[in-house]
Amino acid sequence: DVKVTQSSRYLVKRTGEKVFLECVQDMDHENMFWYRQDPGLGLRLIYFSYDVKMKEKGDIPEGYSVSREKKERFSLILESASTNQTSMYLCASSYQGYGYTFGSGTRLTVV
Amino acid sequence: AQTVTQSQPEMSVQEAETVTLSCTYDTSESDYYLFWYKQPPSRQMILVIRQEAYKQQNATENRFSVNFQKAAKSFSLKISDSQLGDAAMYFCAYRSAITPGTYKYIFGTGTRLKVLA
Repeated sequence: DVKVTQSSRYLVKRTGEKVFLECVQDMDHENMFWYRQDPGLGLRLIYFSYDVKMKEKGDIPEGYSVSREKKERFSLILESASTNQTSMYLCASSYQGYGYTFGSGTRLTVV
Repeated sequence: AQTVTQSQPEMSVQEAETVTLSCTYDTSESDYYLFWYKQPPSRQMILVIRQEAYKQQNATENRFSVNFQKAAKSFSLKISDSQLGDAAMYFCAYRSAITPGTYKYIFGTGTRLKVLA
């Protein structure tokens, strides 16, 4: 089975800190995605990548950046964390869109 | 732009009964895919069922089936013989088939399903 691993299940960071959320997949998928999940808003796409060093903005990229130096790893970076970035962050990968495989999520709290 | 709407924030069903979760979407495209995902309390999102828009036959996966009405842009999920393990948040999702290479999905806001013993 494809496995998508997010490095942390829970994180607490201070306002203004630079935060790295890591995601690794083990099945050579080209496409990787970062979503944030908030109650009543569903999942909103932050960034996605369809190849190494390639990235595309999603619907809510402001305040975030990403890095994909290797095919299996897709990192989400909060340049200067703010309290409105407190959320659940979900990473996903896919092969030609047949269906996402999700990680277990990282619940980030910014204080 | 495409949108996905789940109008039922929460639903309950008695164990062993049948429940239907609603999803409507809006698109001007003729070719696309629709999905239902399940997110149990453990948080891992799991694909439940997938439907290709060009197929008239409704998809089924064991106790899960869909009612796909393309003209009405409706995609409901029916869960038969509900079990306690079906309790979760369910998300409906849309993906365009016309813009390959991006494969980004549009998700609804979710329906929380409670299963009563």
